[in-house]
Amino acid sequence: AQSVTQPDIHITVSEGASLELRCNYSYGATPYLFWYVQSPGQGLQLLLKYFSGDTLVQGIKGFEAEFKRSQSSFNLRKPSVHWSDAAEYFCAVGALYNQGGKLIFGQGTELSVKP
Amino acid sequence: GAGVSQSPSNKVTEKGKDVELRCDPISGHTALYWYRQRLGQGLEFLIYFQGNSAPDKSGLPSDRFSAERTGESVSTLTIQRTQQEDSAVYLCASSTRAGSTDTQYFGPGTRLTVL
Repeated sequence: AQSVTQPDIHITVSEGASLELRCNYSYGATPYLFWYVQSPGQGLQLLLKYFSGDTLVQGIKGFEAEFKRSQSSFNLRKPSVHWSDAAEYFCAVGALYNQGGKLIFGQGTELSVKP
Repeated sequence: GAGVSQSPSNKVTEKGKDVELRCDPISGHTALYWYRQRLGQGLEFLIYFQGNSAPDKSGLPSDRFSAERTGESVSTLTIQRTQQEDSAVYLCASSTRAGSTDTQYFGPGTRLTVL
C-alpha cells in the first residue's frame, strides 16, 4: 500500500539556522509529491510540488525540496529559518493511478523555532 | 476571490447525535475533497466529488458517514450517531479538476468534539 513517512514528529531549530524535514514515500510508479504547511488556526497551504523534471523544486517562503528516487525521499529544506516558519509540515503523495487526485499524507512534523 | 470556507468552525456534540459539516469550495472548482485529521496524526482521505458525483468513497470509515454535493458547489458531510472516536478536525479542499496535478486548496477545518 502507498504510504508516506515523516520520521521526525517534532523538530526545534534556532532562528537563522538551516532546516531539513524528512519525507519518505512508498509508491509503485512515478510519484506526485507535495509539501504543505499548517499554521495554527489556518488551513493547509501548499509550499511546493513535484511532478517531473528537475528534481530540485523551489517553493514559496524560501523553501525547496529535492526528489531522490533512489532513496524514495522528498526532503524539505530552508537555508535560514524565520520565527514565522513555526508550524506543522505535511508531506503528501498523489494516489496511485491518479485516483481522482486524492492525497496520502504523512503524520506531520511540528517545527518550533527558538529565538 | 474567497477561499474554501467551512462551517461551523467548532462543533461540540453528545455521543449518539447527528452532525452536519458544511464546505463551500472556491467558485468554479469542480473537485471537492473531505479529509479527517485526528489529534497528532496526518490527514486521512474520506471522499471526493467530481461535480456532484462521488467516484471514490473508500475513505469513509463506516456507514454512519455520508456526504453529498449539490449544484457543483456546497458539500455536506453528515455523521450519524456520533461516537467519541469521530472527534477530529474535518478538512475540506477543492481544486479545478480531480487530478493529482491539480493543487488542492484547503479550508480552515471544522473541529468536532464528541462528548
